[in-house]
Amino acid sequence: NAGVTQTPKFRVLKTGQSMTLLCAQDMNHEYMYWYRQDPGMGLRLIHYSVGEGTTAKGEVPDGYNVSRLKKQNFLLGLESAAPSQTSVYFCASSYQSLFRYEQYFGPGTRLTVT
Amino acid sequence: GNSVTQMEGPVTLSEEAFLTINCTYTATGYPSLFWYVQYPGEGLQLLLKATKADDKGSNKGFEATYRKETTSFHLEKGSVQVSDSAVYFCALTSYAGTGGFKTIFGAGTRLFVKA
Repeated sequence: NAGVTQTPKFRVLKTGQSMTLLCAQDMNHEYMYWYRQDPGMGLRLIHYSVGEGTTAKGEVPDGYNVSRLKKQNFLLGLESAAPSQTSVYFCASSYQSLFRYEQYFGPGTRLTVT
Repeated sequence: GNSVTQMEGPVTLSEEAFLTINCTYTATGYPSLFWYVQYPGEGLQLLLKATKADDKGSNKGFEATYRKETTSFHLEKGSVQVSDSAVYFCALTSYAGTGGFKTIFGAGTRLFVKA
């Protein structure tokens, strides 16, 4: 099993450009998440999904959109990148049982917006 | 609302020293508690968990006990190694009704272990 994979690993964008980050999991998890991690800020939840076809806003959703058309994939889009979106982005997935709820994280995507 | 507070870092220890990273929480109901570890350049990975009061989670020499009376889940290790240098996150998951399960992460504590 590959677990949680993220594409790409690194990306540099100019202000105003758009891009999509892809997350894939092969564990048949219901829940999927997108976080950003900034120095001194810990993890902040951007959007999440509790199942195929559903999405919901997290703590810092502005400037991002998401889609979950297939259960195994969760896409994060930046329509018009801004320097404030320079960050490391992590995708995660989990079961929907409280007793098996640990999250499995991908390796991260380091995004720089100039 | 629910919250997680963990001690600020960085924590710097010599090899074979005893480690404690404090974590306290505020929550309604009966949350599950977790410690995650993040090694340089990687994503977070689960270190240990406890799903009910008085449970002890353990893994790789690390331990933490779910203390409902003190609302704490402190991480301990008897003898740290250089390879334990990482950032450690305490987290809480609870059932949020129709919103499903919600997880809150602490801010993270960076640990440096010197040889």
